[in-house]
Formats: sequence, structure tokens, C-alpha cells
Amino acid sequence: EAGVTQFPSHSVIEKGQTVTLRCDPISGHDNLYWYRRVMGKEIKFLLHFVKESKQDESGMPNNRFLAERTGGTYSTLKVQPAELEDSGVYFCASSRLGGANYGYTFGSGTRLTVV
Amino acid sequence: DQQVKQNSPSLSVQEGRISILNCDYTNSMFDYFLWYKKYPAEGPTFLISISSIKDKNEDGRFTVFLNKSAKHLSLHIVPSQPGDSAVYFCAASVTNFGNEKLTFGTGTRLTIIP
Repeated sequence: EAGVTQFPSHSVIEKGQTVTLRCDPISGHDNLYWYRRVMGKEIKFLLHFVKESKQDESGMPNNRFLAERTGGTYSTLKVQPAELEDSGVYFCASSRLGGANYGYTFGSGTRLTVV
Repeated sequence: DQQVKQNSPSLSVQEGRISILNCDYTNSMFDYFLWYKKYPAEGPTFLISISSIKDKNEDGRFTVFLNKSAKHLSLHIVPSQPGDSAVYFCAASVTNFGNEKLTFGTGTRLTIIP
């Protein structure tokens, strides 16, 4: 089974620009999550989709972040306009069964650098 | 306000010896705990988990211990192998009918010395 795929793997953009990250979950996984790790700190929850619906977006930092999951398949996370503090590694994860307690599968992440 | 804490940023252990990684939490609502392992340029990989109704769970060389009264859990790896060198994250969740999100610690970098 193919894993969770994220691209790009790296992105360097200037402050004020827009960046869109993409995540392709494992086929058949209804649950899709976005997390972020900033500069060696903890990995923080951003949001959770069940199919195409946002189940929990309590971790989204502010309205510069917009996540979508069209048709319940792949997901995008757009940052517009990007700020310096948005730099970090953005991870996507997916799961088939009921949520995090089953140890869902992470992608390799997108390293975003805002300069 | 960090609810899951890993106070040791790094740990070095001789190959063949036991590695013990520690984690503390503050939120008494957490009822499920997980350990993830992360290699450079890769995403975290699920390692082992434990429900709050248990105090120990074992899977091969990996054992997780939970002390609810102390709000503390630990991961034991024995014997340690060079391939165990990685960053280990402790995570916790509150069971919510499939809507759980994970709260992670900051990670501990484990280095196994050959």
C-alpha cells in the first residue's frame, strides 16, 4: 500500500507570498490530519478532516491558513500571506480506523521556509 | 502551555543496553498514549501505544509503562540497537469516538553508540 504523500518536500518563499501544500492520504483513509513542527519544538495539531468535512480545526493558527479536502481525497493547506513564523515542517497523516489512537500514518512532511 | 513534556532533549546509550525515554503529562483527561519514532527527513512512525486502563504494554524490544498517579510514562527499549537512533516523540489523546487529535511532546533524540 502506498504511503501518505506530501509535496513539495521543501518550499522557500518570501514573506507575503502564498504557498499551497498538498497531501495525498492512503487510499481508503477517511481521516486526514495536518500537523506542524516549528524549529525543534513539539508537533502541533492543526486540523482534522473526516472525508471532505472539517471535524476539528481548533489548531489552525489564524485565518491566513486555509485547508481543503475536495471530494474526500487529497487535501491542500494554503498559507496566504505567509509570515516568518509560519516556517516549519508541515506533516499530513491519515488513518482508516477511528482516529489517532490507532497510530495513524504520517507523510514525510513539507519543510516551509519563509524569508 | 505544554501538556506533554519530554524533559530530556537527548540521550546516548551503548548498544545492547537498555534505553529509557521519559514523558510527563499534565492533562488528566488523556486516556491514550503513544510513542512515535522519527528519522531525519521522514515523518513520525507509530511505535507502540497504551490505554490508560493498563500500566504496561509490550511489543518485542519495546515496552511502555504508564504511571497514572504520577502522570508519567516511559518507553523502554532493550536491547538497544544502532537502528534505534532517532527522535522519539511521546503523544497523548483524549478518546472522542474517532475524533481524537494527538498532543505531542518536543521529542528526545536517542543515539545508540556501537
